[in-house]
Order: sequence, then C-alpha cells, then structure tokens
Amino acid sequence: DAGVIQSPRHEVTEMGQEVTLRCKPISGHNSLFWYRQTMMRGLELLIYFNNNVPIDDSGMPEDRFSAKMPNASFSTLKIQPSEPRDSAVYFCASSLTGISTEAFFGQGTRLTVV
Amino acid sequence: QKEVEQNSGPLSVPEGAIASLNCTYSDRGSQSFFWYRQYSGKSPELIMFIYSNGDKEDGRFTAQLNKASQYVSLLIRDSQPSDSATYLCAVSGGGADGLTFGKGTHLIIQP
Repeated sequence: DAGVIQSPRHEVTEMGQEVTLRCKPISGHNSLFWYRQTMMRGLELLIYFNNNVPIDDSGMPEDRFSAKMPNASFSTLKIQPSEPRDSAVYFCASSLTGISTEAFFGQGTRLTVV
Repeated sequence: QKEVEQNSGPLSVPEGAIASLNCTYSDRGSQSFFWYRQYSGKSPELIMFIYSNGDKEDGRFTAQLNKASQYVSLLIRDSQPSDSATYLCAVSGGGADGLTFGKGTHLIIQP
C-alpha cells in the first residue's frame, strides 16, 4: 500500500484566499484524522471521521475551517478565508477502528499564508 | 481538556548509552499510549504502543506504562546517531478516539 497520500505537499497562498487540502487514507482504514502542527502548539487534532462520519470537530479552530469525507477514500480540509496564523504543517492520518488506534500519517502539507 | 506533557529538551545522550524519554498525561480514562518518532521535516512514524501497565520491549526500544502515576516512558538502548529525532508521546481514550500528542522531546545522540 502507498500509505496515506496528501496533496499538495506545499501551498503558498495570499491572505483571504481559499485553501483546500486533500487526503487519501490507507485502503481499508475506517478512521481518518486531520492534525495541524506548529512550533508553538505542537501537533493538534482538528477533526476525525469514523466510517466517513465526523465524530469530533472540537479541535477545529474557527468557522473558517471545514472538513469533509464524501467517501472512504477521500477527505478534504478547507480554509476560507485563510489567514497568516493558519500557516502550519497539516497532517492527515488514518487507522483501523476497534483493533487499535495506531494512526499512520501522510507526508503533510506545508501551508504558508502570506 | 486532555493534556500530555513532555520535556522539550534537547536531551543529549552519548552513542551507545540508554536514552530515557518521559511523558505524563492528565486524563485518567486514557486507554492507549503511543510513541512516535519525527525526523525534521518528516511526518510522525509509530515506534511503539502500550495498553497495559508494565514494560513492553521491541528490539532496542522499551515502553513503560504506569497508569496509577499517569506516566509513560520510552527507553532506547544502545543509542545510535540515527535515533536523533523528536519523540512524540500520544494518548487515546481507545476505540475511534483521536490521539492527543505532547509537544515532543528533541533527542540528540552524540557520536
């Protein structure tokens, strides 16, 4: 398996623009997680899905952030409008539920908002 | 609010020695405990997980869990320069819960 695939790897955008990050989980995994990593706050859980259903979005910082999982093989994290403080590395991870919560991470998207 | 605390380091250990990394967590209901390694500019990768009190060994790595003290540790024996990385402790309530991560300990193995 190719692992968790994220795109793009790098994104530079201007403040106020819409940003969409994409994730393809490992085939067969039924839990998907979006994390954000910054030097100041470390790795923070934003939202996670189980069987394509959002379970906990309490980590989503503001209404500017939204996430969807239309099917088992695809998820998006959207920021609209983007702000400089959104600059971070965004990771997607997936796991099997019920066996363990060992999460496998994608390579991340480094977002820079200028 | 679940919290996971780690000493940020850097922790400097001579090559061949034992590196000891520690972590405490706030939620007594936590069920699953993980250690991830993250090289600079890379994504976290799972090293070990532990669910029960006591020790769990895997090669040069030993995870230790003490639920009464809400304490998790990772020992790395025969430390190698390639072990130099940031080590992230993570906890979960189990099932479909997401992981709560500590900010990580930066480990440096000195040749």
